[in-house]
Amino acid sequence: EAGVAQSPRYKIIEKRQSVAFWCNPISGHATLYWYQQILGQGPKLLIQFQNNGVVDDSQLPKDRFSAERLKGVDSTLKIQPAKLEDSAVYLCASSRGDGYTFGSGTRLTVV
Amino acid sequence: AQTVTQSQPEMSVQEAETVTLSCTYDTSESDYYLFWYKQPPSRQMILVIRQEAYKQQNATENRFSVNFQKAAKSFSLKISDSQLGDAAMYFCARGGSQGNLIFGKGTKLSVKP
Repeated sequence: EAGVAQSPRYKIIEKRQSVAFWCNPISGHATLYWYQQILGQGPKLLIQFQNNGVVDDSQLPKDRFSAERLKGVDSTLKIQPAKLEDSAVYLCASSRGDGYTFGSGTRLTVV
Repeated sequence: AQTVTQSQPEMSVQEAETVTLSCTYDTSESDYYLFWYKQPPSRQMILVIRQEAYKQQNATENRFSVNFQKAAKSFSLKISDSQLGDAAMYFCARGGSQGNLIFGKGTKLSVKP
């Protein structure tokens, strides 16, 4: 079984620029999550999708962050404009039932 | 706020010895899942062990076991016969009501040869 694919692996941008991350979940996994992991902390949920509908986006900074999951498969997470405090690892995960699989994340550095 | 607390930012263990990582959590639900994840420098979260709250028996996976105290809302991880490859960040997590995971801040485990 292929894992959760994420790209890019690393990204460095200047503040106020925009950036997008891509996630391809495990085939058949209806639920997809985006987590933000700031250095020295545990991952924090940004948004959760069930198929192509949003289940929870209460912690997504909607003035600058957006996410979509077209056709209930791949997902993209966008930040526009980026701030210094957005520097973090962005992890994507998918699940079916109570089994979760994580991708290797994208490390974003905002300078 | 429903939180997960890991009170040990860093722990160290000698190779072949046993170490216990602590975790407490808060929840108002009676049925939920608890997890321990390992995160090596590759960043990918790897499931170490999982416990279902309605099961009284403590989960075990080879050298890894948990001490689950539901009334105390405590969920510690014991690693026996520690190996160099066990060195990593360890995160305790609780399953949320929507199916997401709520993580603690993590414990950095070092293994000394």
